[in-house]
Amino acid sequence: GPKVLQIPSHQIIDMGQMVTLNCDPVSNHLYFYWYKQILGQQMEFLVNFYNGKVMEKSKLFKDQFSVERPDGSYFTLKIQPTALEDSAVYFCASSLDWGGAGEQYFGPGTRLTVL
Amino acid sequence: QQKVQQSPESLSVPEGGMASLNCTSSDRNFQYFWWYRQHSGEGPKALMSIFSDGDKKEGRFTAHLNKASLHVSLHIRDSQPSDSALYFCAASDTGYQNFYFGKGTSLTVIP
Repeated sequence: GPKVLQIPSHQIIDMGQMVTLNCDPVSNHLYFYWYKQILGQQMEFLVNFYNGKVMEKSKLFKDQFSVERPDGSYFTLKIQPTALEDSAVYFCASSLDWGGAGEQYFGPGTRLTVL
Repeated sequence: QQKVQQSPESLSVPEGGMASLNCTSSDRNFQYFWWYRQHSGEGPKALMSIFSDGDKKEGRFTAHLNKASLHVSLHIRDSQPSDSALYFCAASDTGYQNFYFGKGTSLTVIP
């Protein structure tokens, strides 16, 4: 079936550095998402993106976070600067349809460790 | 406060048995409910959706939704070892795209 890829699978960085998480969504999908999961807790929505713009974001999507998808390439989540509390697994997802009735396809996640 | 709560946290059933997973939401605006399954090392994958009150059956899997009580359940008949995974309940509000996830139920099917 359709697959979402995430690169890298694991990233370790020092606090204060910048990090970019990359997502290769399903090719014909139009809507893109980032979720954050801290160990032992539920996955939480960060942001969704459509037609080059952020449509919705949660309070977890701090000012240090940004997303973009330049020229239909990777959908990226950038954190600059990183903080210790940013350590988590970040999941990217994409969907063809808008609204809760549309299935979201998830990648395998990027485990980010901020030291 | 978590908007989506799942129970039990973990569940073990024998191969061929019935597994029952529960999910309760606290937001009456939720209209769309999904069950996602995640195997180790992979991302969550949609198992089935349910949007209307009542039962929805897909093969060995049956979802039940009661919007009045904000309760949705998933029943797995004739459980197989390959069903061993983490199961997430996800809910979405009308007009919004993001899902609210529960913490998950870890299912182990014992051969």
